This record gives sequence, C-alpha cells and structure tokens, in this order.
Amino acid sequence: GAVVSQHPSRVICKSGTSVKIECRSLDFQATTMFWYRQFPKKSLMLMATSNEGSKATYEQGVEKDKFLINHASLTLSTLTVTSAHPEDSSFYICSAEREGAEAFFGQGTRLTVV
Amino acid sequence: RKEVEQDPGPFNVPEGATVAFNCTYSNSASQSFFWYRQDCRKEPKLLMSVYSSGNEDGRFTAQLNRASQYISLLIRDSKLSDSATYLCVVNHNAGKSTFGDGTTLTVKP
Repeated sequence: GAVVSQHPSRVICKSGTSVKIECRSLDFQATTMFWYRQFPKKSLMLMATSNEGSKATYEQGVEKDKFLINHASLTLSTLTVTSAHPEDSSFYICSAEREGAEAFFGQGTRLTVV
Repeated sequence: RKEVEQDPGPFNVPEGATVAFNCTYSNSASQSFFWYRQDCRKEPKLLMSVYSSGNEDGRFTAQLNRASQYISLLIRDSKLSDSATYLCVVNHNAGKSTFGDGTTLTVKP
C-alpha cells in the first residue's frame, strides 16, 4: 500500500488564487521530504527540501515566496503555490525517504491554472 | 553537463525483444542508485535498486559500474505492459534524488 499520500491528485484553479498541496508519510516519520515538479515529457526537477521544524531549502531558481513550504510535523509537509499563474501549471510530486530505504513518492498533483 | 544522463530514446521494440537502457552519473560521491518506472501522468514507482554486484528480478537485470559511473537496465522478453518511461535515479545526499530525463519504451505487438 501507499506509504506516502499526496492530496489533492488534481486541481484546477483561477489565476491569482493559491493552492495548497499536502504530502503525508503514512507509516513512518519523515524529518525530510522533497518536492518535485515535472513538465510534460521532462524529468522531475527538485524544487525544495522540506525540513521538519525549520525552513525549507530551495533549489536555485525556485521562488520561495511563490512556493511556500511548511513541514509542521514529522508526517506532513505542505506546498502552497501562491498567486498561481498559468505557467505554474504542472505535475507536482513529493517524496520522503524511510530511513535505510529508497524514496517513496506521493501520487502527484496535477495543477491546472486557468 | 547533466548530473544524470540517460539514453534519449524513444525505444520502440516488438514483444519478446531484449532492450537495454544506459545511464551515467557525474557525482562520484553518489551512494545509491535506482531504476524507477513512470507511467503517463502517474508518480514514479521503484522498479529496482542497483548494486555493484548486479541484481536481477525476473526479466529485469540492473548493473552498476562505479569506476565508470555507469548504470544499466536490461529487460528481457519485453511485454506490452513494459511500455513506460524508465528513470535512472541517483542519490548522493540522503533522500535527495537526482533524476535522469527518462527513456521512453514502447513495446508493440
């Protein structure tokens, strides 16, 4: 069964609104989670590393004020896309690594901004 | 140069064919290596880990050559259901994964 749950799986929003995506580790504690973005026919690009209890670490070129990350507990990280624009439309995926094991991915969220 | 590079593909093969994917990585400090499979509009799913000794899982064989910083995936007796994008993934900083661009495989009847 799924060990990382991501919600929602699909969302359509209007330009200028904000969208929150949740990522939960279901049966383990994840001090670190990762957020990726995938454009059509491209690979996953790491956006940021979410650290429980501290600020997220963003990759170069990712706007931290636009993509707000909160990792308030050991099982939940959220990504909020603020003031969304059509160019933010993409597939967003989170992952968490269970200690000593490979990374587990959420189901992904397809965001469409109209 | 990209940190993880894969064959560009696409690979179009008939059922029953053997197909091999290659991947190279640039960070010699990389610690763990994986092949993931991604179906259209779905999340990546782990296919297999890759070890220096090589490992096999049914029709799938993965190899790692640390000296050459090279990873391979061999699929024997291809099935229609093997059609997907295969991602080479390298991990050098616990949990932080770097993905190749993926190689698309289409198996045709």
